Amino acid sequence: QSALTQPRSVSGSPGQSVTISCTGTSSDVGGYNYVSWYQQHPGKAPKLMIYDVSKRPSGVPDRFSGSKSGNTASLTISGLQAEDEADYYCCSYAGSYSFVFGGGTKLTVL
Amino acid sequence: QLQLQESGPGLVKPSETLSLTCTVSGGSISSSSYYWGWIRQPPGKGLEWIGSIYYSGSTYYNPSLKSRVTISVDTSKNQFSLKLSSVTAADTAVYYCAVRRSHHVFFDYWGQGTLVTVSS
Repeated sequence: QSALTQPRSVSGSPGQSVTISCTGTSSDVGGYNYVSWYQQHPGKAPKLMIYDVSKRPSGVPDRFSGSKSGNTASLTISGLQAEDEADYYCCSYAGSYSFVFGGGTKLTVL
Repeated sequence: QLQLQESGPGLVKPSETLSLTCTVSGGSISSSSYYWGWIRQPPGKGLEWIGSIYYSGSTYYNPSLKSRVTISVDTSKNQFSLKLSSVTAADTAVYYCAVRRSHHVFFDYWGQGTLVTVSS
């Protein structure tokens, strides 16, 4: 069970869009439609932003969207805002009631 | 709305056992509606799923930690706990209790996290 692969950092200017990728294998990301994304501000607990690949919990802005193709999932944030600056983690179900996270991506809003 | 609060020693010596407790409010630890679990985050690093337990007592552990991890439930105190044996500096991390509803495949609720440092 290896960690999912995410870019270490991405950046964008306010109003722009950014996409964060999350690459796994056919045993996790590719095998199940159970990818979730979490936002984490410094010193805080992670917050759920996307679940089941592309669903948004209530209260999460529709600027956040998720998708998946093969073994790679993606989180897209459109209309970047200063408060979006945070670390983002993907997570995939990996079978047998287990989960695997990505290494995290630091989003900088320029 | 569940609320979770981690507690336990902030400092553990190498080779000893790390023990943490998560106190649950707003729901019953005996409920079939949740999986009770732990996730950790070493300083400056990513999240790692440790494992979870269901009300039936069934446990599920990260294969990389399975030989050292025990998760259990105390129904009388509405708590669940984590024990990690033979710790090293690599086990230094913020430990979160994290819970998912039984029909969800993501983590709905998180504690605030507690930092455990492994050092002599």
